[in-house]
Amino acid sequence: DAKTTQPNSMESNEEEPVHLPCNHSTISGTDYIHWYRQLPSQGPEYVIHGLTSNVNNRMASLAIAEDRKSSTLILHRATLRDAAVYYCILPSGTYKYIFGTGTRLKVLA
Amino acid sequence: DVKVTQSSRYLVKRTGEKVFLECVQDMDHENMFWYRQDPGLGLRLIYFSYDVKMKEKGDIPEGYSVSREKKERFSLILESASTNQTSMYLCASSPLHDPNTEAFFGQGTRLTVV
Repeated sequence: DAKTTQPNSMESNEEEPVHLPCNHSTISGTDYIHWYRQLPSQGPEYVIHGLTSNVNNRMASLAIAEDRKSSTLILHRATLRDAAVYYCILPSGTYKYIFGTGTRLKVLA
Repeated sequence: DVKVTQSSRYLVKRTGEKVFLECVQDMDHENMFWYRQDPGLGLRLIYFSYDVKMKEKGDIPEGYSVSREKKERFSLILESASTNQTSMYLCASSPLHDPNTEAFFGQGTRLTVV
């Protein structure tokens, strides 16, 4: 199974953009890149996913490197409600979702 | 609104008890998963199921079993609870063989074994 590497923690000021990186150097050609986040005391929730092209939705943008060995989740204007643990994962095998420890995002008012 | 529902948010059980954690999804998903989450260790996969009566071990199946008698329901069983199984347990579901769609998670069950 392909592995992802993320920084343990990041900080951002409120109302500023946040770029959360993820390395996945062993990604295969058919692996989708998924991002989830986990707010305090809740289960993870889906944020965004993509295969090769950059993706946008109402929550965030996903920028995928041309060689697909890394990706960046972009929150365009961080709010206090975005403080969470963000997970980058590559669904694999029978599409089981293997989570690492993610990046804990702290948003400063 | 799609939903994965776990039967309890909080449970306290005694060492040696048999414990059942129940999860129900209403999206007709084939895949269902059980994870446990511990500080500093992230989410670790215990078991998953891709069809009724089918199951596969995840990374940490020891001390656990599962049951999938109906498509919408996936149960995690602790045959004889121990204090090291005190944890947050999360259930999830997703469509089969479609990594182009997302997984949905329940709110979690915080189990304390005393």
